Amino acid sequence: DAGVIQSPRHEVTEMGQEVTLRCKPISGHDYLFWYRQTMMRGLELLIYFNNNVPIDDSGMPEDRFSAKMPNASFSTLKIQPSEPRDSAVYFCASGESSGNTIYFGEGSWLTVV
Amino acid sequence: DQQVKQNSPSLSVQEGRISILNCDYTNSMFDYFLWYKKYPAEGPTFLISISSIKDKNEDGRFTVFLNKSAKHLSLHIVPSQPGDSAVYFCAARISGSARQLTFGSGTQLTVLP
Repeated sequence: DAGVIQSPRHEVTEMGQEVTLRCKPISGHDYLFWYRQTMMRGLELLIYFNNNVPIDDSGMPEDRFSAKMPNASFSTLKIQPSEPRDSAVYFCASGESSGNTIYFGEGSWLTVV
Repeated sequence: DQQVKQNSPSLSVQEGRISILNCDYTNSMFDYFLWYKKYPAEGPTFLISISSIKDKNEDGRFTVFLNKSAKHLSLHIVPSQPGDSAVYFCAARISGSARQLTFGSGTQLTVLP
């Protein structure tokens, strides 16, 4: 079975540009999470969805960040406009309501110059 | 306010010896704890977990200990192998709530041959 699939794996963009990160969760999972990894904060939860509905977006740093989940097999995290301090690895993860663990994708490495 | 803390950013251990990674938490509502392992350029992968009704869980070379009164857990790896070199994240969640995990900042384990 395919795991969580993220794209792009690497993105280098200029400050001010829009960035869109994509995620395909594991089929059948009803939870989807967006995490960000930085040296200073480790892995921090940005937002999560249950059955495609955003449940908690309190971790989203500011209004420049937005996330959508139009269907059970696809989610996007958008940053507009991007800033150098957004440079980080962004992970998508999915899980089942009946399970105790969540499964991560390989991450999207974002560099904003 | 970090609810899950890993105070050691790095740890070096000789091959064959025991590795002990530590984690502290502040939220007494946490009742399920997990350890994830992360190799460079990959997403975190689940390693082992423990429910708050237990104080020890063992899986091969990996054992997790939970001390609820001290709000402390530890991961023991014995014997340590060079392939264990990775970043280890401690995570916690509240049962009955959503599946989001709160992560620590990680500990880089290096096992020296």
